[in-house]
Amino acid sequence: AQSVAQPEDQVNVAEGNPLTVKCTYSVSGNPYLFWYVQYPNRGLQFLLKYITGDNLVKGSYGFEAEFNKSQTSFHLKKPSALVSDSALYFCAVRARSGYSTLTFGKGTMLLVSP
Amino acid sequence: DAGITQSPRHKVTETGTPVTLRCHQTENHRYMYWYRQDPGHGLRLIHYSYGVKDTDKGEVSDGYSVSRSKTEDFLLTLESATSSQTSVYFCAISEGQYYEQYFGPGTRLTVT
Repeated sequence: AQSVAQPEDQVNVAEGNPLTVKCTYSVSGNPYLFWYVQYPNRGLQFLLKYITGDNLVKGSYGFEAEFNKSQTSFHLKKPSALVSDSALYFCAVRARSGYSTLTFGKGTMLLVSP
Repeated sequence: DAGITQSPRHKVTETGTPVTLRCHQTENHRYMYWYRQDPGHGLRLIHYSYGVKDTDKGEVSDGYSVSRSKTEDFLLTLESATSSQTSVYFCAISEGQYYEQYFGPGTRLTVT
């Protein structure tokens, strides 16, 4: 069975500092990996995805994520955090082949202080 | 949330009553999904559809049924609501099974 772990329930960072939201995964074979963001009382918004190719993926709002196959990780990063980045972030994985649906992590709340 | 609407947005119902939630898309995407979001569990897939009248179960399908008679509409029915089905329900769509999903605004359901 595939799974996603987001080890931190909450990440606190000061505005202007770099941020990292961690994600590790378990899947049979090669993965498709995704990051989504959820603002209060809203649906999830797609941020970025890794399908194949370059391990560093760039997405919306200045976010990027690095795929590390040996560590089975897909951490979300941003060089300089904004207060408006405060939200709930979800990592998701699915197998690249075969019967599979998307499995989400439990989410990490990012709080950026002024 | 563009192109995806959910109705109702909020509903309070009593235990044992049937409830139907509607998802409507204007993107003509083939795949549609129903998730529930609960604290500490993230999002869990209830059912999904890969075409008109083609549906399959997800991780937490017990107590739920779905129907898709048109490309644009995907209905989720709770045959006899229970308090454990109190949750926020999200609909999502995607062009294909390997594509990113786009989510609706959600329906907050409370079963008393």
